[in-house]
Amino acid sequence: GAVVSQHPSWVICKSGTSVKIECRSLDFQATTMFWYRQFPKQSLMLMATSNEGSKATYEQGVEKDKFLINHASLTLSTLTVTSAHPEDSSFYICSARGGDTTNEKLFFGSGTQLSVL
Amino acid sequence: KQEVTQIPAALSVPEGENLVLNCSFTDSAIYNLQWFRQDPGKGLTSLLLIQSSQREQTSGRLNASLDKSSGRSTLYIAASQPGDSATYLCAVSSGGSEKLVFGKGMKLTVNP
Repeated sequence: GAVVSQHPSWVICKSGTSVKIECRSLDFQATTMFWYRQFPKQSLMLMATSNEGSKATYEQGVEKDKFLINHASLTLSTLTVTSAHPEDSSFYICSARGGDTTNEKLFFGSGTQLSVL
Repeated sequence: KQEVTQIPAALSVPEGENLVLNCSFTDSAIYNLQWFRQDPGKGLTSLLLIQSSQREQTSGRLNASLDKSSGRSTLYIAASQPGDSATYLCAVSSGGSEKLVFGKGMKLTVNP
């Protein structure tokens, strides 16, 4: 099956710093990737849809200036949490649709656990 | 607004039992439904995907059914094993959208 690589798997940072998370499709091209966030004991919630070569589409309530998304190539999308604060501590995970146009499954990265001190 | 519910939130069973995991959704106008497995601190692994026109899908010891009219899906796990211990998530997409709405998941523990 398709492989999505996400890095780093965990990060601890001080309040006010910025953190970049990378999501790569290793064996297929992904014109669209999705970024989700999961707080403890809560559902995975879609934050934004990342489109290659165009601006990301953010879900209601997600600050686009705080969560910067760049999808500069067909295999890489990045999420930058700018000026992170403790309330941004969460599990962030990306996903992409498999390269086969008939395959509608979404493949997920391994996630990034962010802890902001 | 679509809402997905999984009850119970956790389940602990002895090895060998046949299990039924439940998922319900409020808006029956779905495009497809997907079951995932999530291991602690890990990403999600897609287990089964059911299109809205389908009734069930099978993969090994797993069988997922879909009753769109009643807004329900079940994941059946036959002869459970300790390695099946994980959190199982149900998610639906609506109207051809690629966006998924997830339930909170059900944490399964299979005891040897």
